[in-house]
Parts: sequence; C-alpha cells; structure tokens
Amino acid sequence: DAGVIQSPRHEVTEMGQEVTLRCKPISGHDYLFWYRQTMMRGLELLIYFNNNVPIDDSGMPEDRFSAKMPNASFSTLKIQPSEPRDSAVYFCASSFGLAVYNEQFFGPGTRLTVL
Amino acid sequence: GNSVTQMEGPVTLSEEAFLTINCTYTATGYPSLFWYVQYPGEGLQLLLKATKADDKGSNKGFEATYRKETTSFHLEKGSVQVSDSAVYFCALRAQGAQKLVFGQGTRLTINP
Repeated sequence: DAGVIQSPRHEVTEMGQEVTLRCKPISGHDYLFWYRQTMMRGLELLIYFNNNVPIDDSGMPEDRFSAKMPNASFSTLKIQPSEPRDSAVYFCASSFGLAVYNEQFFGPGTRLTVL
Repeated sequence: GNSVTQMEGPVTLSEEAFLTINCTYTATGYPSLFWYVQYPGEGLQLLLKATKADDKGSNKGFEATYRKETTSFHLEKGSVQVSDSAVYFCALRAQGAQKLVFGQGTRLTINP
C-alpha cells in the first residue's frame, strides 16, 4: 500500500485566498484524522471522521475551516479565507477499527504558507 | 482533561550515548500510551506503544514502560545513532476514545 497520500506537499498563497488540502487514506481504513502542527501549539487534532461521517470537529479553529469526506478514499480540508496565522503543517492520518491500540498512519503533511 | 507533558528540548547527544526522554500524562481510567517519531520532512511514525500498566513497548532499540503509579512513559535507548535524530512525540489515547493527545515533542540531535 502507498500509505496515506496528501496533496499538495507545499502550498504558498496570499491572505484571503481559498486553500484546499487533500488526503487519500489507506485503503480499508475507516477512521480519518486531520491535524495541524505549529511551533507555538504543537500537534492539534482538528477533526476526525468514521466511515465518512464527521465525529468530532471540536478542534476546528473557526468557521473559516471546513472538512469533508465524500467517500472512503478522499477527504478535503478547506480554509476560506486564509490568514497568515493559518500557516502550519497539516497532517492527515488514518486508522482501522476500534482496537484499543490501533495505529494511526500519518501522511507526509502539507506545509501551508499564507503571506 | 487529558494531557501529556514531555521534557523540553532540544536534546543533543553524542553517538552511543544513553538516551532518556521523559513523558508524564494526566488521564482518567486506563489510557493507551504511544511514542511517535517524526524524521525531517516526514509525517509521524509509530515507534512503540503500551496498553496497560507495566507493559513495556520496544522497537529499534527504544523502550518505554507504562508506569501507572508515576503516570509516566519515559523513552530510553541504550546507545543512540546519528540516524535517531528526529522529533519524538509522546501521546495518549483515553480509554474508549479514538483521539490521540500529543505532547509538545522533543527534538533530538545526535552528533557523530
């Protein structure tokens, strides 16, 4: 398996523009997670899905952020409008099942820079 | 709430030195505990895990023991290599939950 795939790997945009980050989880995994990593706040969970349904979005910072999972093999995280403080590395991760120690597999991340 | 506290970095050691990275946690019940490693430019990879008290997780020469009495899960390695240079994250998953709660990460640099 190719692992979790994220695109783009790097994104540079200007303040106010819409940004869409994409994720393809590992085939067969039923959980998908979006994380944000910054120097100041470390690694934060933004939202996670189970069987394409959002389960917990309490980490989504504000209404400018939205996430969707239209099918089991694709998810997007959208920021509209983007702001410089959104600059971070965004990770997608996936896992299978409810086993107490099931591993989350992380993608390589998307480094977002908002100018 | 649930939280994880790691020793602050960065940590710099010479090759073949002994490594300890401290991790303590706050959680109700019996969480599962994890160490993840992030190499430069990559996503996080699971290094080792433990699911109950006194369990020892081990992988690639790294070890960590789940100590409920001290709420700790310290990472150790007897002889580090340059290739171990990375950022290490301690994490917990509360009993019955799917969310991982991460520590702030510890950057480790090994000099030859």
